[in-house]
Amino acid sequence: GNSVTQMEGPVTLSEEAFLTINCTYTATGYPSLFWYVQYPGEGLQLLLKATKADDKGSNKGFEATYRKETTSFHLEKGSVQVSDSAVYFCALSDRRGNKLVFGAGTILRVKS
Amino acid sequence: DGGITQSPKYLFRKEGQNVTLSCEQNLNHDAMYWYRQDPGQGLRLIYYSQIVNDFQKGDIAEGYSVSREKKESFPLTVTSAQKNPTAFYLCASSIRDTNYEQYFGPGTRLTVT
Repeated sequence: GNSVTQMEGPVTLSEEAFLTINCTYTATGYPSLFWYVQYPGEGLQLLLKATKADDKGSNKGFEATYRKETTSFHLEKGSVQVSDSAVYFCALSDRRGNKLVFGAGTILRVKS
Repeated sequence: DGGITQSPKYLFRKEGQNVTLSCEQNLNHDAMYWYRQDPGQGLRLIYYSQIVNDFQKGDIAEGYSVSREKKESFPLTVTSAQKNPTAFYLCASSIRDTNYEQYFGPGTRLTVT
């Protein structure tokens, strides 16, 4: 079945450091890919998405490129801020199941 | 403003009692979902509904029940049969297109003692 694997956290960085959170997937067909962010005590917010191979999703300085050849959708940001501290979830669309499949989430902690 | 509301934010119940969590959306979305999140863990799908008066079990439906009588509303009942009901519950909705991009509510934290 479809699945998403994310790097385990927590990831701890200093302010202004470069961020990469790895995400790889297994899927039949051509899913859409998403990154969601969850701040403490809140629901999930869509951060960015890509709907086909080689698409780059971007928002708030975060970027991720849909790489079909490596089945990956790694999240990157050039300079993180303390306010980026949150849990990040990678997800793919399961068209046959009419739902999203989520990774386990990666905790990001940014120190000032 | 369009969005998803979940109420209440915090809910406390005694063991053995059923409890119903509210989820309402005014986004005109056809599909709605319920997830459970435990501390330090990802999301697990409980139930989902693609259309009014129809719903499907997710990965962990045992001990839960839902109804979808109106497009805007998808309440979740946590029954006394749920062995470990204390968790953070998230409701989401989406358009029924090919992407299934979901919009989430703020969540309800249920504590059962």
